Amino acid sequence: GAVVSQHPSWVICKSGTSVKIECRSLDFQATTMFWYRQFPKQSLMLMATSNEGSKATYEQGVEKDKFLINHASLTLSTLTVTSAHPEDSSFYICSAPGTPIYEQYFGPGTRLTVT
Amino acid sequence: RKEVEQDPGPFNVPEGATVAFNCTYSNSASQSFFWYRQDCRKEPKLLMSVYSSGNEDGRFTAQLNRASQYISLLIRDSKLSDSATYLCVVYTGGFKTIFGAGTRLFVKA
Repeated sequence: GAVVSQHPSWVICKSGTSVKIECRSLDFQATTMFWYRQFPKQSLMLMATSNEGSKATYEQGVEKDKFLINHASLTLSTLTVTSAHPEDSSFYICSAPGTPIYEQYFGPGTRLTVT
Repeated sequence: RKEVEQDPGPFNVPEGATVAFNCTYSNSASQSFFWYRQDCRKEPKLLMSVYSSGNEDGRFTAQLNRASQYISLLIRDSKLSDSATYLCVVYTGGFKTIFGAGTRLFVKA
């Protein structure tokens, strides 16, 4: 099946710094990618929908200036957590829709810890 | 009310037991339904789709009741390797997919 990779798989950063997470579709082109966040023992919450060549669509309550999304090519979307704070520590997962559209190919996730 | 609700568990069962998970959803216009499995610190993986007619895949049986907006997953003859969190997932159209918080299962020898 389709493969989506994420990098890094885990990252520890200091409060106030920025962290970039990459999501790549390895064997297919993805004009759309999704970014999720998952806190411990909670569900995956959609943060934003990333669209190749245009602005991302953010879910209500997600700060677009804090979580910068860039989908510059058909195989790469990036999420940058700017001025990270400890409350941003979470598991960030990207996915790309398959065929049919409701089938999603998930990346392995990135565990972010902000100290 | 959450859009997709699940009993968080945990369910602690012995090997060989039968265990059932329930899920309810609030949007009556929801189109497709799924169970995903998520291991600790890993991404979710599709376990099976759920149909009104019910569907079975080996030891796993899923059922959908649209009138009650209720989804179930039955696991028979539980194995140690079944220990995971099971996510109820509802697709409501377009790109909108809602994940339940998951039900944790621990299968013990």
